[in-house]
Amino acid sequence: DTEVTQTPKHLVMGMTNKKSLKCEQHMGHRAMYWYKQKAKKPPELMFVYSYEKLSINESVPSRFSPECPNSSLLNLHLHALQPEDSALYLCASSQDKTSTYYEQYFGPGTRLTVT
Amino acid sequence: AQSVAQPEDQVNVAEGNPLTVKCTYSVSGNPYLFWYVQYPNRGLQFLLKYITGDNLVKGSYGFEAEFNKSQTSFHLKKPSALVSDSALYFCAVRPSGGAAGNKLTFGGGTRVLVKP
Repeated sequence: DTEVTQTPKHLVMGMTNKKSLKCEQHMGHRAMYWYKQKAKKPPELMFVYSYEKLSINESVPSRFSPECPNSSLLNLHLHALQPEDSALYLCASSQDKTSTYYEQYFGPGTRLTVT
Repeated sequence: AQSVAQPEDQVNVAEGNPLTVKCTYSVSGNPYLFWYVQYPNRGLQFLLKYITGDNLVKGSYGFEAEFNKSQTSFHLKKPSALVSDSALYFCAVRPSGGAAGNKLTFGGGTRVLVKP
């Protein structure tokens, strides 16, 4: 199974709402990633978890809060977002963070619209 | 700092003709190079990678890429394009080690349009 799943597929939220994005993989990967992608642009790295610990935060605003409850799950908690946060949010996983030659497997993404 | 350039925003090719998507990179030390494809409203899908060894790398769906160290290039190729190859293609690089080694740096993407 080489699948990364993400829920929900689409999310519309107001600027005062609190919502969460979920990501799951069952490939035994120990590195998991959150990316933000604007239309027709490359993905931008937000966070990296390695062995369930946050290892990279790319200076992401605190209104985005990641969580890794276990090695298979990754959440992204959203609060007080701005309209410019509307984007496709991609989750990815790879076998190991320290071995950089491993490719990343991406989920289908959550299309987020902030109104 | 590492970087990737994809000089063409869009490549148009007729079905059955060869397809080439260009990529050049800049990185300290030895590079690990990747190609991903993204279909509309989907996540990125891994196509192939160069780590070491043979400069010609074969990947999924008939794609291949050639690593050229002297030209710092990693162009993606397919001998005979299909309409279903129409998508957005990203080249990406990681250095082989160091603190920045975990970060995958993407090029700006190249849209491929294969016409019947």
